Amino acid sequence: AQKITQTQPGMFVQEKEAVTLDCTYDTSDPSYGLFWYKQPSSGEMIFLIYQGSYDQQNATEGRYSLNFQKARKSANLVISASQLGDSAMYFCAMREGGNQGGKLIFGQGTELSVKP
Amino acid sequence: AAGVIQSPRHLIKEKRETATLKCYPIPRHDTVYWYQQGPGQDPQFLISFYEKMQSDKGSIPDRFSAQQFSDYHSELNMSSLELGDSALYFCASSQASGIHINEQFFGPGTRLTVL
Repeated sequence: AQKITQTQPGMFVQEKEAVTLDCTYDTSDPSYGLFWYKQPSSGEMIFLIYQGSYDQQNATEGRYSLNFQKARKSANLVISASQLGDSAMYFCAMREGGNQGGKLIFGQGTELSVKP
Repeated sequence: AAGVIQSPRHLIKEKRETATLKCYPIPRHDTVYWYQQGPGQDPQFLISFYEKMQSDKGSIPDRFSAQQFSDYHSELNMSSLELGDSALYFCASSQASGIHINEQFFGPGTRLTVL
């Protein structure tokens, strides 16, 4: 079974608007972490934001926020005030277990295109 | 701030040749991970090391081996290369304690092409 599911292969957003990228996950472990990474066409993987399963508040990092709905097992990324430079592939990932050094399991990715 | 360093950035090999990829983690990071990302795919975990010991193993072929050295750098050795090994290979590092405990930082990747 797919542990991380990103159902949007591609998304378009107008510059300066907000966009939500969906991510659902599947785990029976009560302790886990959820990550979002940005991968531009140049290929590097850029860490954006992290949410722990026990965190009470939704994570925020600048224009990025994570809409964490634990009961629904979703961890959507919200990008506010989109910029042309936000055009990239976005991956949701999960680390299971309380071991902070655990491997990441990635979703299939969502390709975001920001239109001027 | 220092980032994860990978070398080489690009590598072209023939089938059945060997390749060695190197990774230098962020200073004071004690855990190194290797991932393989095929064209149009998501990254797949290969292997990880914590304090120079193998900590986890994923879908790494038997033709591949890796180790972490005393200075914490890591090398991924790939033998009998196949066309299907063509991919972007990422190294990532993290630290098991401290304020950045939950962040796993990726290097720029090594793009391996097998002809």
